[in-house]
Amino acid sequence: AQSVSQHNHHVILSEAASLELGCNYSYGGTVNLFWYVQYPGQHLQLLLKYFSGDPLVKGIKGFEAEFIKSKFSFNLRKPSVQWSDTAEYFCAVNVQGGGNKLTFGTGTQLKVEL
Amino acid sequence: NAGVMQNPRHLVRRRGQEARLRCSPMKGHSHVYWYRQLPEEGLKFMVYLQKENIIDESGMPKERFSAEFPKEGPSILRIQQVVRGDSAAYFCASRPGTDNSPLHFGNGTRLTVT
Repeated sequence: AQSVSQHNHHVILSEAASLELGCNYSYGGTVNLFWYVQYPGQHLQLLLKYFSGDPLVKGIKGFEAEFIKSKFSFNLRKPSVQWSDTAEYFCAVNVQGGGNKLTFGTGTQLKVEL
Repeated sequence: NAGVMQNPRHLVRRRGQEARLRCSPMKGHSHVYWYRQLPEEGLKFMVYLQKENIIDESGMPKERFSAEFPKEGPSILRIQQVVRGDSAAYFCASRPGTDNSPLHFGNGTRLTVT
């Protein structure tokens, strides 16, 4: 079975700082990779996804993520965070052909201070 | 196009009572997933349903929990004889029939068992 690890549980940054959130997965086969964001009191929203092709994917709100197959990683990045990026971020994977069932990491709570 | 609708947003039950959580998928979506989020944990898969069929219930507790997605009406997650350990946020997600289509999540139902 696949699993997902997010190493940073809580991150605090000042506005304009750069962000990188780690995500590693374990699975021997082909996976699809996702980052979701949950703003306070709201539902999970898809930030970006990787299925195949260019390993550097760009999502909404200036976020991007890079799939490094040799490291089983899919880290999320943003060059300059804003206060409005304060939210919880979840990395997730599904197995191709597995019914789109997502396996989530435990999440990273990001707080951006003014 | 309304998003995934879950109700109620908050549900309080005493130990031993039944909890019914409802999920109306997005229009045109025929696949529904239920996830549970316990405090300080990520979202855990519970069950995957298509209209009138349970496709994957590998994440469902063996007792007291059941789910359905009838031909007409919302998907229902039912928890009988609730216990304090059932207190959690329950999220529903839906997608259309296309393979690899991303999941769209509802706002969740926060169940508190007193």
